Amino acid sequence: DAKTTQPPSMDCAEGRAANLPCNHSTISGNEYVYWYRQIHSQGPQYIIHGLKNNETNEMASLIITEDRKSSTLILPHATLRDTAVYYCIVRARTGGGNKLTFGTGTQLKVEL
Amino acid sequence: DSGVTQTPKHLITATGQRVTLRCSPRSGDLSVYWYQQSLDQGLQFLIQYYNGEERAKGNILERFSAQQFPDLHSELNLSSLELGDSALYFCASSETAQNTEAFFGQGTRLTVV
Repeated sequence: DAKTTQPPSMDCAEGRAANLPCNHSTISGNEYVYWYRQIHSQGPQYIIHGLKNNETNEMASLIITEDRKSSTLILPHATLRDTAVYYCIVRARTGGGNKLTFGTGTQLKVEL
Repeated sequence: DSGVTQTPKHLITATGQRVTLRCSPRSGDLSVYWYQQSLDQGLQFLIQYYNGEERAKGNILERFSAQQFPDLHSELNLSSLELGDSALYFCASSETAQNTEAFFGQGTRLTVV
């Protein structure tokens, strides 16, 4: 699986958009970009994933650059409840199981 | 609520003991995963089962074992416990073996004293 690089921490004002970057310069053509988050000591929560195109769901938007070497998770209107560690994971959907490798992630702190 | 149920929520036991953690996957999910999260190691993948068979293995210690039963629930057995085994243990489930949209339970906090 491709390695990802994320900033260790970010701050965001409540109500503003939170833009969380992820670098995955060694990504392969068949690898997807997944985002999970973990709110203090709770189980990780799936947010969104994408391959090439930008994706949006009720939680967030995922913007993947054209060369696919980086991506940005956007929380359009961050709230205090979005304070969490956000993990960017790159993974191919191939046989042999589904070993999600969580790095250190980005600690997002949303403040008033 | 992810639909994944883990029991017990908390467990305190002594070194050298053996414990069993239980996980019930979301309805319809065939794949179950186990993860360990300690303060100094982050989230570590232990093992994955799909429809009763082992599908992927991480750095799971030999003292640890798991299985998935015909009703698809899974158990993680930890034996000869050491202080360093104190951690949060998460179970996750997904529809297929390759589905990376996994849904996590709330975890079992194990404290070894």
